[in-house]
Amino acid sequence: EVQLVESGGGLVQPGRSLRLSCAASGFTFDDYAMHWVRQAPGKGLEWVSGISWNSGSIGYADSVKGRFTISRDNAKNSLYLQMNSLRAEDTALYYCAKGGGITDFDYWGQGTLVTVSS
Amino acid sequence: QSALTQPRSVSGSPGQSVTISCTGTSSDVGGYNYVSWYQQHPGKAPKLMIYDVSKRPSGVPDRFSGSKSGNTASLTISGLQAEDEADYYCCSYAGSYTLAFGGGTKLTVL
Repeated sequence: EVQLVESGGGLVQPGRSLRLSCAASGFTFDDYAMHWVRQAPGKGLEWVSGISWNSGSIGYADSVKGRFTISRDNAKNSLYLQMNSLRAEDTALYYCAKGGGITDFDYWGQGTLVTVSS
Repeated sequence: QSALTQPRSVSGSPGQSVTISCTGTSSDVGGYNYVSWYQQHPGKAPKLMIYDVSKRPSGVPDRFSGSKSGNTASLTISGLQAEDEADYYCCSYAGSYTLAFGGGTKLTVL
């Protein structure tokens, strides 16, 4: 059974940093792209970042480019999101999602909540 | 990237069909056959319903179908059931390893 478990969320002040983690199990992690998708309270889904199976291709939403860094450790079956210079508008539930085919997300975690507030 | 455009809400009675549109540009929806659709019930994680414009993952009822014409993709749900009431999101590849979601559509089953 595929499982994606996010961690690392919490309350953080504007301008500070936070690192999210996603522990994956139930599939061959290094065969698939992985993504972060976020959802602000009461709002829609927003793709944040994606990384290919071998970290050779990485993409970011314009809203986080230059502030967030995605990475993965295939030996540890883990995905990460380093978030710097956090802003109030980064407040959201952050989902870890497994890439299915080229550009879809076939499995999702339950999310970790990030709240940016002073 | 710009968000794709979806209607805020659609509705239909049980047994009827509804179609949700997702309009982008030639740089995303129109440029690639990589559109996916997600269903999200309140308080739950999204669920993949359609990928690569019209393919259905295993376990998704064939009442759900996808299509694309030009810069607009569509999700059609036939034989509406009460459990189909949810938010639906489209997502498209937008080039350079980036993706864009639509704003979401709330489906109400009357």
